[in-house]
Amino acid sequence: GAVVSQHPSWVICKSGTSVKIECRSLDFQATTMFWYRQFPKKSLMLMATSNEGSKATYEQGVEKDKFLINHASLTLSTLTVTSAHPEDSSFYICSEGKGASYEQYFGPGTRLTVT
Amino acid sequence: TQLLEQSPQFLSIQEGENLTVYCNSSSVFSSLQWYRQEPGEGPVLLVTVVTGGEVKKLKRLTFQFGDARKDSSLHITAAQPGDTGLYLCAGARNQGGKLIFGQGTELSVKP
Repeated sequence: GAVVSQHPSWVICKSGTSVKIECRSLDFQATTMFWYRQFPKKSLMLMATSNEGSKATYEQGVEKDKFLINHASLTLSTLTVTSAHPEDSSFYICSEGKGASYEQYFGPGTRLTVT
Repeated sequence: TQLLEQSPQFLSIQEGENLTVYCNSSSVFSSLQWYRQEPGEGPVLLVTVVTGGEVKKLKRLTFQFGDARKDSSLHITAAQPGDTGLYLCAGARNQGGKLIFGQGTELSVKP
């Protein structure tokens, strides 16, 4: 199956700073990537759909100016949490879509802690 | 509105027991996937079911897609501690590849 990497795997930042998370497809060129947020013991919450060369599509309730998504190349999508606050602390996971059955292959996730 | 209802949300059993997890919806899905996630890691795809009535087996795991493609179940036989994790069902509805996830089932298998 496809392999997706994420970097960093964990990050601690101070309130008010910005943090960039990278999501990279390692074995094929993914046109569509997805960004999720996950709270402890909870399911995945889709934040946005990212397509190479176009603006991301955000889900209702997700602030576009706070969670900046860039997908400049087929293999790389980035999520930047701007002016982070403690309530942004969470587990962020990306995935790439593949196949006619809409399977998704997930990265290992990034644990963000904002102090 | 939760479009995909997954139950139970928590399950704690002894090694060797059997269990079934259900995902139900009033909507039709073009495909449905099951994922397993361990703490601190991303979900890993277990299986995709596409055809109504389809049954797939993966060692001790049996997955079934309902005839109307609105529901699915995951049955684990003789559960082992290594089966512990968060199980997620996710349905696709031909909307740009987006998946609708169930609430997840936190499974704990005690030795």
